Amino acid sequence: AQSVTQLDSHVSVSEGTPVLLRCNYSSSYSPSLFWYVQHPNKGLQLLLKYTSAATLVKGINGFEAEFKKSETSFHLTKPSAHMSDAAEYFCVVSDYGGYQKVTFGIGTKLQVIP
Amino acid sequence: NAGVTQTPKFQVLKTGQSMTLQCAQDMNHEYMSWYRQDPGMGLRLIHYSVGAGITDQGEVPNGYNVSRSTTEDFPLRLLSAAPSQTSVYFCASSQGLGRGLEASNQPQHFGDGTRLSIL
Repeated sequence: AQSVTQLDSHVSVSEGTPVLLRCNYSSSYSPSLFWYVQHPNKGLQLLLKYTSAATLVKGINGFEAEFKKSETSFHLTKPSAHMSDAAEYFCVVSDYGGYQKVTFGIGTKLQVIP
Repeated sequence: NAGVTQTPKFQVLKTGQSMTLQCAQDMNHEYMSWYRQDPGMGLRLIHYSVGAGITDQGEVPNGYNVSRSTTEDFPLRLLSAAPSQTSVYFCASSQGLGRGLEASNQPQHFGDGTRLSIL
């Protein structure tokens, strides 16, 4: 069985300050992990993915995430928040189980204060 | 590049009515899925398909039907709409599915959603 826990439902940061969105997972296998972003009234867009090639993954728009197996974490970070980063972010785990099995976290809403 | 196209974008139904949400993708992806998004619950899988002619149930399939007659299209049917089905519905597709690690590391491509209200 697999699961995803996004530790914060809402995060508020000031523009220009660092962003940290936390995600913990559990999986019976070596999982693939993803972060998606959803802007208002839009579908989800892939930010980055981890597939065991490198533990530090760089994504679009300056975001990156580090896979820490010992902590079962995959936290999303960005050095400096921009107003356009205000959105909802989803951590997703995909397990090796025959057909693609995907579990979404409940999402973290990021507010960026000018 | 159209990607994943969902229609309609908005719909209001009365309890007991039926309707079909349309989803089409032009990326020749084998895997397609339908999710519903509700506040505080993330995305929950309704039904999915691993190829034309093959569908299976996800986490919350009750009250919904799907079919997959072509690679491109994956419609979702509400049989008799209920207020509990008020939600935002997303269709997604991905490639490289079926078996193994390569299947699990393919990202999904999402449509912009259908916002459905049932009175």
